[in-house]
Amino acid sequence: AAGVIQSPRHLIKEKRETATLKCYPIPRHDTVYWYQQGPGQDPQFLISFYEKMQSDKGSIPDRFSAQQFSDYHSELNMSSLELGDSALYFCASSLKSGQGETQYFGPGTRLLVL
Amino acid sequence: AQSVAQPEDQVNVAEGNPLTVKCTYSVSGNPYLFWYVQYPNRGLQFLLKYITGDNLVKGSYGFEAEFNKSQTSFHLKKPSALVSDSALYFCAVRDDSWGKLQFGAGTQVVVTP
Repeated sequence: AAGVIQSPRHLIKEKRETATLKCYPIPRHDTVYWYQQGPGQDPQFLISFYEKMQSDKGSIPDRFSAQQFSDYHSELNMSSLELGDSALYFCASSLKSGQGETQYFGPGTRLLVL
Repeated sequence: AQSVAQPEDQVNVAEGNPLTVKCTYSVSGNPYLFWYVQYPNRGLQFLLKYITGDNLVKGSYGFEAEFNKSQTSFHLKKPSALVSDSALYFCAVRDDSWGKLQFGAGTQVVVTP
């Protein structure tokens, strides 16, 4: 079965640079979530989109922005990168129908800011 | 507000023995509860969820979890652990049928041969 695809898998950036992370949801899934997992920490919710509209916002810095496109893929744009942005960034997708949607996670993008 | 507690940082068990990973939760409404497993350098893999209905939920790879409303718990169990079950396990909760997940801190499971 098709899974969530994230690219790139690894990314190394310098401080103050920008980065763009991409997420391709499972086919027919209409909702995308972004989470950030710092070293030794649990995943923290950043932002989500449903049918190309932002549906919820968590602890996402103002330096970050995201959007969902017409083909339902999503991009997380990160500017003025800081050392503390080094983390594993997960995208999850789901289909919002019925009760109890399940979020399926991608393999993550490991970002290292030097 | 919603929160999850996983009281054990690490659980050690011998292969073939029962495995239990504890999780307690707090939500303002009806709980929607999930277990995910994370292997090194991998994403989160969905194991099982409780939405409504039977308190005992069966999931992937022989795992099951028991929902206990009075104790606000959702412990993950496996009757006979395998070395390959060694991984990081996350309990997650939300108070609606969809939306962001609130994760616990995670429990590292170590299964020794």
